[in-house]
Formats: sequence, structure tokens, C-alpha cells
Amino acid sequence: GENVEQHPSTLSVQEGDSAVIKCTYSDSASNYFPWYKQELGKGPQLIIDIRSNVGEKKDQRIAVTLNKTAKHFSLHITETQPEDSAVYFCAASRSGGGADGLTFGKGTHLIIQP
Amino acid sequence: NAGVTQTPKFRVLKTGQSMTLLCAQDMNHEYMYWYRQDPGMGLRLIHYSVGEGTTAKGEVPDGYNVSRLKKQNFLLGLESAAPSQTSVYFCASSSGPAVTEAFFGQGTRLTVV
Repeated sequence: GENVEQHPSTLSVQEGDSAVIKCTYSDSASNYFPWYKQELGKGPQLIIDIRSNVGEKKDQRIAVTLNKTAKHFSLHITETQPEDSAVYFCAASRSGGGADGLTFGKGTHLIIQP
Repeated sequence: NAGVTQTPKFRVLKTGQSMTLLCAQDMNHEYMYWYRQDPGMGLRLIHYSVGEGTTAKGEVPDGYNVSRLKKQNFLLGLESAAPSQTSVYFCASSSGPAVTEAFFGQGTRLTVV
């Protein structure tokens, strides 16, 4: 099955700086790569996703890049703000073969230092 | 709009006891999922359903059973709870297969002593 590795497990950045979280996946058939943000005591919430026919996607301060050859995708957050502090999860899945759900990375705790 | 609602939010069980976690969604979604979240492990899929009356095993199904008698509800059962089942459980739903956005509930924190 799919295996998703996520790094780093903890990331501390100064407010206003950029943050980058990286993930790799193992199943070359995976074609959907969402990123979820989880605030303390809440369920994960989708912040951005990318499909395998796209190399990059941007939404205001958040961007995701995908390298299918290397099986690697990354989340970029620019001009970080205190409200960006949370745990971020990358995930991967594939279409077809039934709705097998998402395979998640282990998460990155992003800390924004004032 | 409630989205995905999980009941209860917290529960403490003794080893060997049984319980059922309820998930309800009001978005008319076909697909529903149960995940467990453990420290340092991310979220792992327990069971899922692709429609009313259907269920299927995920990555970590042992010790759990599920039922989807109504489209809006997905129940997760623990027949004989074990300390290894101490975890935070999340239900999610989506309009299509795993390549569409999943909406998560607030979670149920379960402790088995």
C-alpha cells in the first residue's frame, strides 16, 4: 500500500518568514495530494490540494508543488502569521480501485514565533 | 450547517467494555470514513463506506466493526475495548472517492483503562 513520509516533525519560524513542509510518497499510482491543517482540539481541515496533472498550485499565502518523477510534494507558507500555528498533515490517495481513503503523513507541528 | 458531528466527544472505558461511536453528516455525502489518530502516527484509516449499506476495511480494522444503515450515519463499534484502542477517533465524509475533499468531525477522545 501507499506510504507517506513527512518532514520535519516540528518547524519553528519567525513571524513573517516562510515555512516549507516536505512529503514523499511511494505509490506511483497516487494522483491526489491534499494538505490538512489541524488546530488544537479540532478535526483536520483541508487548506489546499493538488492533482497529479498539475505541478504547482497557489492560494494566497499558501502554495503546493508536486514532482511526480521524484514522488515528492511540498507545502509552502509565506509571510507566516500567528494563526498559522497548527499541525499540518500531507496525504496521498488514488482514484479507482474503490474509495480507500487517504494515507496521511505523521504531521508537522508548525510554531510561529512572535 | 453542522457538517460532520461525532458523538460522544470524550469517553473512558474499562478494558473489555463495549461502546459505539456515532458519526452523522448533513451534506448528503456518499462516502464516510473512520480514522484513528495516535501521537506521532498521523491518521490511519480504520473502516470506510462508499454508500448506504456498504462497509470496507481500511489499514487498521482489527478490533472494530462498523455499520452504515442510513446514508447520513456511520457507526464505529468496539466490542471488547483494549488499552491499545486508546486514541482520538475522527469521522470524515466526502461527496466522492478519496480524491475529493474530506470533511472531518471534531473527534472523539477515547481512553481505555
